[in-house]
Amino acid sequence: EVQLLESGGGLVQPGGSLRLSCAASGFTFSSDAMTWVRQAPGKGLEWVSIISNNGGATSYADSVKGRFTISRDNAKNTLYLQMNSLRAEDTAIYYCAKGRVLNYWGQGTLVTVSS
Amino acid sequence: QTVVTQEPSFSVSPGGTVTLTCGLSSGSVSTSHYPSWYQQTPGQAPRTLIYSTNTRSSGVPDRFSGSILGNKAALTITGAQADDECDYYCVLKVGSGISVFGGGTKVTVL
Repeated sequence: EVQLLESGGGLVQPGGSLRLSCAASGFTFSSDAMTWVRQAPGKGLEWVSIISNNGGATSYADSVKGRFTISRDNAKNTLYLQMNSLRAEDTAIYYCAKGRVLNYWGQGTLVTVSS
Repeated sequence: QTVVTQEPSFSVSPGGTVTLTCGLSSGSVSTSHYPSWYQQTPGQAPRTLIYSTNTRSSGVPDRFSGSILGNKAALTITGAQADDECDYYCVLKVGSGISVFGGGTKVTVL
């Protein structure tokens, strides 16, 4: 059974940093691209970033480019999202999802950016 | 900036059929955009329904189907049930590895 478990969310001040993790199990992690998607309170889904199966290629939404960095450790079956220079508008539930087609989702971790 | 468009809301009668669409602010949607559809009930993570235009995700009933209709991607729900009442999102691959979600459609079954 595919399982994705996000962690690392919390309350952070504007301008601060946070690193999210997504622990994967139930599939061959190193064979799949992985994606981060977020959802601000009461809003729709927003695609954030994707990383290829070997970490060699990444892409970002314009809203986070230059501030967020996606990475992965295939030996640990874990996906990461390093978030720097956080803004109030980054407040959201952050989901990791399997593959380019997002065919499995985690339950999400809440990031709140507030002073 | 690429905008993906969806109807804000739709109503369907129990047992009825509804077709939701997913378009682009400029240009037509094709299979090259790998349209995918997700269902989300309040407080829950999204659930994948359809990916790559018309491939049903594991466990999704066949009353959900995806297609290209004209210049848009489409999700059709046949035989609507009460628990189909929730939000539906599409996503399109728009290039350079980047994807964009539509704003979502709230479906009401009544």
